[in-house]
Amino acid sequence: DAGVTQSPTHLIKTRGQQVTLRCSPKSGHDTVSWYQQALGQGPQFIFQYYEEEERQRGNFPDRFSGHQFPNYSSELNVNALLLGDSALYLCASRDRGRSGYTFGSGTRLTVV
Amino acid sequence: QKEVEQNSGPLSVPEGAIASLNCTYSDRGSQSFFWYRQYSGKSPELIMSIYSNGDKEDGRFTAQLNKASQYVSLLIRDSQPSDSATYLCAVNIDRGLGDMRFGAGTRLTVKP
Repeated sequence: DAGVTQSPTHLIKTRGQQVTLRCSPKSGHDTVSWYQQALGQGPQFIFQYYEEEERQRGNFPDRFSGHQFPNYSSELNVNALLLGDSALYLCASRDRGRSGYTFGSGTRLTVV
Repeated sequence: QKEVEQNSGPLSVPEGAIASLNCTYSDRGSQSFFWYRQYSGKSPELIMSIYSNGDKEDGRFTAQLNKASQYVSLLIRDSQPSDSATYLCAVNIDRGLGDMRFGAGTRLTVKP
């Protein structure tokens, strides 16, 4: 049973560019959340998707946007990249009826 | 005041000792509480969840919750070098909905 899968694993982008990160949730999970984790910090909540809609959003600018597809997979898009966007981006999924998230391995984004 | 606060550590204990990790949270409406373990360079892994006041034991791990004091802790008995990791406390306001807010994590080192 595959867990949460994320792609790509690593990415290097130039300041001002746009990036799309992808996530496939664990089988049976219908809720996907995205987190940003800077080095030495805890994960920071970006947003949550359920039934293809953004349900909650953390304190992130509109440059961060997302999408959930009918098969529950999800994308995170970041426009106009800043150096400060360099971080580990984690996708987490769960069954709607449960609370504990399962995390993917993450995408390490470096903005130069 | 941060939503979820943890001592950053590092916390160092000898092999076989009890490691005690603490976490406080600010939102009295918080309903669900989690402990995640994160090895260096890896994604967080759920190790304990607790929803009611009191203790919950799972193997060598015991989670303790005191909602009146807005305090949750994790005890690791018979600590092993393999327990060396960063432990993240996470709090969810609503059991079925909503996002998790993480603390910055406590780095634990278990010395042989």
